[in-house]
Amino acid sequence: NAGVTQTPKFRILKIGQSMTLQCTQDMNHNYMYWYRQDPGMGLKLIYYSVGAGITDKGEVPNGYNVSRSTTEDFPLRLELAAPSQTSVYFCASSYSNSQANYGYTFGSGTRLTVV
Amino acid sequence: GEDVEQSLFLSVREGDSSVINCTYTDSSSTYLYWYKQEPGAGLQLLTYIFSNMDMKQDQRLTVLLNKKDKHLSLRIADTQTGDSAIYFCAERGDTNAGKSTFGDGTTLTVKP
Repeated sequence: NAGVTQTPKFRILKIGQSMTLQCTQDMNHNYMYWYRQDPGMGLKLIYYSVGAGITDKGEVPNGYNVSRSTTEDFPLRLELAAPSQTSVYFCASSYSNSQANYGYTFGSGTRLTVV
Repeated sequence: GEDVEQSLFLSVREGDSSVINCTYTDSSSTYLYWYKQEPGAGLQLLTYIFSNMDMKQDQRLTVLLNKKDKHLSLRIADTQTGDSAIYFCAERGDTNAGKSTFGDGTTLTVKP
């Protein structure tokens, strides 16, 4: 099992550019999440999804967008990149609450720098 | 909203025990987790405890939960240099789409 796969691992963007961070999981998890991790800080929830076709905003959604057309894929779109979006982005997935003891499975992250 | 707090740094000698503490505010938290993050990697689930438990032991790891005080701790026995990492406490309720709230992480440094 590959688990949660994120691409790319690193990216440098210029201010105003756009990009899509890819995330795919092969565990048939219904729930998927995008978090950002700023240096020395915890994780802040950007967007989440409880199933295909359903997405919702988290704590820090401004400047981002998501879609969930399949159970496996949950891409994160950055429009008009800003320096404040320089961060490490983690995608995670999990079972529904009935199996919450499994916690989250995280991808290895995308390190994004906006210059 | 929910909040999870941890001390930021802990330094111990190899072979000693490490205790990492966490407090949380959401009384409806059902699961509490400890994740480990090594440099340049994603978070990896170490262990969890269900809210109706007081203690859970898993090899060198002991988790203690004081639900009344909303206090969680992770004890690592016989700490090794390979345990050096950032440890995150997280909580998850029964509802709320399984969203977890994470603390800012405790950086554990193990000195030889």
